[in-house]
Amino acid sequence: NAGVTQTPKFQVLKTGQSMTLQCAQDMNHEYMSWYRQDPGMGLRLIHYSVGAGITDQGEVPNGYNVSRSTTEDFPLRLLSAAPSQTSVYFCASSSGVGGIQYFGAGTRLSVL
Amino acid sequence: KNQVEQSPQSLIILEGKNCTLQCNYTVSPFSNLRWYKQDTGRGPVSLTIMTFSENTKSNGRYTATLDADTKQSSLHITASQLSDSASYICVVSATGTYKYIFGTGTRLKVLA
Repeated sequence: NAGVTQTPKFQVLKTGQSMTLQCAQDMNHEYMSWYRQDPGMGLRLIHYSVGAGITDQGEVPNGYNVSRSTTEDFPLRLLSAAPSQTSVYFCASSSGVGGIQYFGAGTRLSVL
Repeated sequence: KNQVEQSPQSLIILEGKNCTLQCNYTVSPFSNLRWYKQDTGRGPVSLTIMTFSENTKSNGRYTATLDADTKQSSLHITASQLSDSASYICVVSATGTYKYIFGTGTRLKVLA
């Protein structure tokens, strides 16, 4: 059972480039979310989804786009990368609002 | 504003000793409080989840307590091991929302 899988593990971008961070879960969870983790700060919610076709903004959504076409996948798109988006990104899933959240191993992104 | 504050920021203890980490929150209306362990370079892993009616929840050598009246929680680690070296994150969610408020974590170092 793979759980939550994130790819890539590391990525370096130049300012202005776009890319997609992939997230997949095999637990049939309805709720999925994206966070970023910066030094000295708690994880901050970027976007979340409560089911296929349903997404909503979190605390820091600007510069990011998401879609949820299947239950399994929840990709995060950086539209035009900026140095302020240098961070570690985590994807998480859970069966519901009261359930255990399972996190992926993270994607470490540097924007030069 | 919904906030979660943790103390201390960092802690060093000797192997075999006990320690207690603190979490204060102002999230309202309260739904549940979670403690996560995050190893360096990894995603957070759930230790405990407590709802309003639960005062104590254990997971092996980890025991979490909750005082919903004072809005405080603690995580007690018994007979620490080198593998307990990690960041411990307190997370609180409000009723009726899929959003979680993360603390900045306590970084624990266990020395031999």
